[in-house]
Amino acid sequence: GAGVSQTPSNKVTEKGKYVELRCDPISGHTALYWYRQSLGQGPEFLIYFQGTGAADDSGLPNDRFFAVRPEGSVSTLKIQRTERGDSAVYLCASSPLVGGMHNEQFFGPGTRLTVL
Amino acid sequence: AQSVSQHNHHVILSEAASLELGCNYSYGGTVNLFWYVQYPGQHLQLLLKYFSGDPLVKGIKGFEAEFIKSKFSFNLRKPSVQWSDTAEYFCAVRDYTNAGKSTFGDGTTLTVKP
Repeated sequence: GAGVSQTPSNKVTEKGKYVELRCDPISGHTALYWYRQSLGQGPEFLIYFQGTGAADDSGLPNDRFFAVRPEGSVSTLKIQRTERGDSAVYLCASSPLVGGMHNEQFFGPGTRLTVL
Repeated sequence: AQSVSQHNHHVILSEAASLELGCNYSYGGTVNLFWYVQYPGQHLQLLLKYFSGDPLVKGIKGFEAEFIKSKFSFNLRKPSVQWSDTAEYFCAVRDYTNAGKSTFGDGTTLTVKP
């Protein structure tokens, strides 16, 4: 079956602009996660959803970052007033909940965001 | 807060050599542990995971890892590497009580020379 997909694969924007990054999880996966990966580092947790609600948004760096998952499937990560330091690969992952417990995460290919 | 340390940033081996990649974490509670791999041009995929039970876990492609609770370690091993194992390897830990959030190490790049 289809894996996690993310669009766009690459996004170049100018400082101060607004961007939206989309994630389509594996069908039926209840949990969805966003991470950010800077060059030479591992993925850094941003937020995760169980269904439609954000269960933990403690990793969002500031109030310029916001994410939604209105119907419990597709999620959008929104970044306002982008800064050069936001340049990174944004990864999305999804997982089934088995007996209410998080299982392994399936990652998408990521969106490479470049802020000029 | 959790943290994960991968001591080797870049490892270079010849084919058939044995591999051990170190991973240590800091967290005193119950954890789930993972190793992920990212092959060139591909996305992250799970190699193996430890949730409970036997501390020696076996994953795909001949990889295994041993959870040593007293050392807060989860080292990855493979007895004989192949050129196709060239990739970046990430160790990750998540708190059993907050299982939505995983903390990753900074990764180890493995280059296997044919």
